[in-house]
Amino acid sequence: AQSVAQPEDQVNVAEGNPLTVKCTYSVSGNPYLFWYVQYPNRGLQFLLKYITGDNLVKGSYGFEAEFNKSQTSFHLKKPSALVSDSALYFCAVNTGGFKTIFGAGTRLFVKA
Amino acid sequence: GAVVSQHPSRVICKSGTSVKIECRSLDFQATTMFWYRQFPKKSLMLMATSNEGSKATYEQGVEKDKFLINHASLTLSTLTVTSAHPEDSSFYICSASRGRRAYEQYFGPGTRLTVT
Repeated sequence: AQSVAQPEDQVNVAEGNPLTVKCTYSVSGNPYLFWYVQYPNRGLQFLLKYITGDNLVKGSYGFEAEFNKSQTSFHLKKPSALVSDSALYFCAVNTGGFKTIFGAGTRLFVKA
Repeated sequence: GAVVSQHPSRVICKSGTSVKIECRSLDFQATTMFWYRQFPKKSLMLMATSNEGSKATYEQGVEKDKFLINHASLTLSTLTVTSAHPEDSSFYICSASRGRRAYEQYFGPGTRLTVT
């Protein structure tokens, strides 16, 4: 069965510091991996995806993620956090079908 | 491109009444639409998947008679919560995908349903 784990409920970081939001996955088959961000009372906004190709994926708002097949991870990173990055982040996995599995979400707090 | 809208954004209804939520793909044809439910501080739970012109496929544990889904056209899907009860209060989010790339979903802004 497919699963996604986001081991941290919350990540706190100071503005200007690098941030990492962790994600590991378990699938049978090749994973399609996604990161989404959600602001309060809003839907999900797409940040980036890995389908195939280069393991380092760059996305919106300066975010990037690295696909690591051996560690089955797809951590989200940003070199310098902004207060406006504070939101709820979801990692998701699909294997090319209709069903996408979402992680539990990680709340990011960026302190000024 | 790839904008999905939902209407209404918020709705309050009385217990026992039904409420309809619309999901529209504004600038593309959505071959597949998805309905999710999100509980406070929780992840998204897939309720059902619908393809245009066919019956929705419901996830295990989701009552199909309570959550009626209609995907009438390539740009519109509706979720009707029938005989709503306070425990149906939640944030409902739809998403849409196009063509064969069902794994690439475009999300609506969500609808906050409160049943009193």
